[in-house]
Amino acid sequence: KAGVTQTPRYLIKTRGQQVTLSCSPISGHRSVSWYQQTPGQGLQFLFEYFSETQRNKGNFPGRFSGRQFSNSRSEMNVSTLELGDSALYLCASSLMPREKLFFGSGTQLSVL
Amino acid sequence: AQSVSQHNHHVILSEAASLELGCNYSYGGTVNLFWYVQYPGQHLQLLLKYFSGDPLVKGIKGFEAEFIKSKFSFNLRKPSVQWSDTAEYFCAANSGNNNDMRFGAGTRLTVKP
Repeated sequence: KAGVTQTPRYLIKTRGQQVTLSCSPISGHRSVSWYQQTPGQGLQFLFEYFSETQRNKGNFPGRFSGRQFSNSRSEMNVSTLELGDSALYLCASSLMPREKLFFGSGTQLSVL
Repeated sequence: AQSVSQHNHHVILSEAASLELGCNYSYGGTVNLFWYVQYPGQHLQLLLKYFSGDPLVKGIKGFEAEFIKSKFSFNLRKPSVQWSDTAEYFCAANSGNNNDMRFGAGTRLTVKP
């Protein structure tokens, strides 16, 4: 069974641009959550989706948004990028909320 | 506010030493607790989890954790570490039936051979 797939693996953008990251969960998993990982702040929860509905959102500005499609694939978008958005963005999926999370390799975003 | 804190940023041990990594949480109501591990170059993976029942939880690779409700703690333990346990360890929690997982800052464990 394929794991959680995140694309692209690396991304370099400049301030002010916007970016879309993609996540394909493990087949059959309906819950997808996103995290931002930085050396200073650790892993921070961004949002969680289940059956195309956002169930929870972390403390991030409105520039961070996401969605989930009917096939459970998810995207997150960051608009008007800032230098501080440079981070590893991790996606995780689970069969149902509260179940064991399976993490992808992440997308390393660098904002110049 | 819901939060998870880990006391140790970096722990260095020799092989066969005993390990205890601290984790405290601040959550109201029902809480689910987890320890995840990230080995060098690998994905985060689940070590163990606690939802309810026996507060002493056993996980993979000889790890265990004890949920102490009165102390809001969920410390990770292993009686004898191996070099292969070198990794970063994250304590995490969520509430009820949600996946709004909050992670601690992580503890980097280095085991010297």
